Amino acid sequence: GAVVSQHPSWVICKSGTSVKIECRSLDFQATTMFWYRQFPKQSLMLMATSNEGSKATYEQGVEKDKFLINHASLTLSTLTVTSAHPEDSSFYICSARANQNTGELFFGEGSRLTVL
Amino acid sequence: AQSVAQPEDQVNVAEGNPLTVKCTYSVSGNPYLFWYVQYPNRGLQFLLKYITGDNLVKGSYGFEAEFNKSQTSFHLKKPSALVSDSALYFCAVSTTGGGNKLTFGTGTQLKVEL
Repeated sequence: GAVVSQHPSWVICKSGTSVKIECRSLDFQATTMFWYRQFPKQSLMLMATSNEGSKATYEQGVEKDKFLINHASLTLSTLTVTSAHPEDSSFYICSARANQNTGELFFGEGSRLTVL
Repeated sequence: AQSVAQPEDQVNVAEGNPLTVKCTYSVSGNPYLFWYVQYPNRGLQFLLKYITGDNLVKGSYGFEAEFNKSQTSFHLKKPSALVSDSALYFCAVSTTGGGNKLTFGTGTQLKVEL
């Protein structure tokens, strides 16, 4: 199947700093990528839909200025957590749509963010 | 609005026994149904999907799922469980007109014991 790579896998940062997470589709082009957040022992919460060459679409309750999304190419989307605080600590997962018709998504390995 | 229910937080099975992980859904229109598995601190891995056609769908690692339209269910099954199947399983649904956004269930922790 299609491969989605996420980097970094783990990141620890100090409160107030910004952290960038990359999501790459390695063997296919993705006009749309999705960013999820997962709290311990909970399901995935869709944060935003990343569209190549245009602004991301954020879900209700997700702060656009807090979670900056850039989808500059057909194989790369980035999520930047700005001025991170301990409550932003979470597991962030991206996915990319390999087939536009069926909606099948392939997921990255996730990025564990810990804000001290 | 679409939704997915996984009524069991955890399922315990002895190795070699059959396993079932339950999932029911609610959508307007035709559903696209998926099962994903997640190992600790990892992303989701695709197991199988139902788009159209045969109600019984076969997927990776010996898993299968049966689409039941009248019961709006898509239960995941495996004839003989392995200890290595122990993981968190998510059922998900999308619709043809929903921008392909997936709605996930809350997940079911499967524990297979010797």
